[in-house]
This record gives sequence, C-alpha cells and structure tokens, in this order.
Amino acid sequence: GNSVTQMEGPVTLSEEAFLTINCTYTATGYPSLFWYVQYPGEGLQLLLKATKADDKGSNKGFEATYRKETTSFHLEKGSVQVSDSAVYFCALSEDTGGFKTIFGAGTRLFVKA
Amino acid sequence: EAQVTQNPRYLITVTGKKLTVTCSQNMNHEYMSWYRQDPGLGLRQIYYSMNVEVTDKGDVPEGYKVSRKEKRNFPLILESPSPNQTSLYFCASSLKRGLGYGYTFGSGTRLTVV
Repeated sequence: GNSVTQMEGPVTLSEEAFLTINCTYTATGYPSLFWYVQYPGEGLQLLLKATKADDKGSNKGFEATYRKETTSFHLEKGSVQVSDSAVYFCALSEDTGGFKTIFGAGTRLFVKA
Repeated sequence: EAQVTQNPRYLITVTGKKLTVTCSQNMNHEYMSWYRQDPGLGLRQIYYSMNVEVTDKGDVPEGYKVSRKEKRNFPLILESPSPNQTSLYFCASSLKRGLGYGYTFGSGTRLTVV
C-alpha cells in the first residue's frame, strides 16, 4: 500500500543552522505531496505543497522539491529560528478510487538559541 | 477569519457515556475529515465526508459515528466511549476532494476516557 516515511527525530539544531528533514514515499499513481507543521498545542498547518514531478513548494523560507525518480520530498530551510521548533509532517494525497491522504509519523525539530 | 472550530478542546469522560465532538468550518469547504493522533501511530483517518449527506469510513472507524447534515458541520459521535479511544482528535476540511487541495485543521480535542 501507499506510505510515507520520514526521518526519525528529534532533530536538534542551533539557530541559523541548515535544516533538512527527509521524506520518501511509495505510491501507485501520481500523488500530490505536502508538508504540514504542528506547533505545541495546535492543529496541523499546511506549510507547502507540490502537485507534480519537479515542482518546488515554498513558504516562510522552507522549500521542498517533488522528485519522482527518487520518490522523495525533502524539506529544507537555509537558516532556522527558534520559532521553527515544531513537529513536521510529510503527507501524500492520491486518488485511487477513493481520495486519501496519508501522513508520515512526524519529525520533531528543536532549535536552540 | 477562515478556520475550523472544534469543541471542546479538552474532555474527560467515563466509559460508556455518549459524547459528541463538534466541528464547524466557515470556508464553504466540501470535504471534511476526522483524524486521531496517537504517539507512535501518527495521524489515522476515522471518517470523511465528500459533501452534505455523503460520508464514508476511513482507516479506524470502529466505535465512531459521523453525520453531515449541513455543509459547515461535521460532528464526531462516540456512542459508548472506551479507554482505547483516549486520543487527540482533529477535524480537517478541504475545498474539494482532490489531489492538490491541502487541509485546514482545527486546534484539536484531547479526549480522555476513564
């Protein structure tokens, strides 16, 4: 079945460090890919998305490129801030007769001042 | 402000006492869904609705009911809650049922069944 695999956390970085959170997926068709962020005590928020191969999603300094050849959608940010501390979820949506969104397990990020 | 509103935020109840968690969205979204979030298991879909009066089971529907009588509301009903339904619940909505539409999530309901 379809699945999303994220790197295990927690990831701990110092402020202004470069961030990469790996995400790979398995899907039978041509899914859309998403990154969501969950701050403490809140619901998930859509961070960015890409709907076809080679698309780059970007928002708030975060970027991810839809790589069909490696079935990956890694999240990157050039310089993290303490306020980026949160849990990040990679997700895919695919329509295989029933519209379904599958979430990865989430990766917790801690950014130290 | 465009949002998904869930109530209550926190609820402690006893086994077998029926409860309803409400969910309302003000964005005229067609698609709504309920998820539960558990440590180590991530987010799992309980039920979803593609439009008014159209609902279907997700991955973990046992012990839950839903209804969609109006476009904006999608309540989650636990007829006889059990301790294994202790979890963090999220309601989410999307403009349409379709690949490129992301979700807007509510703030969550933390349910404890004792």
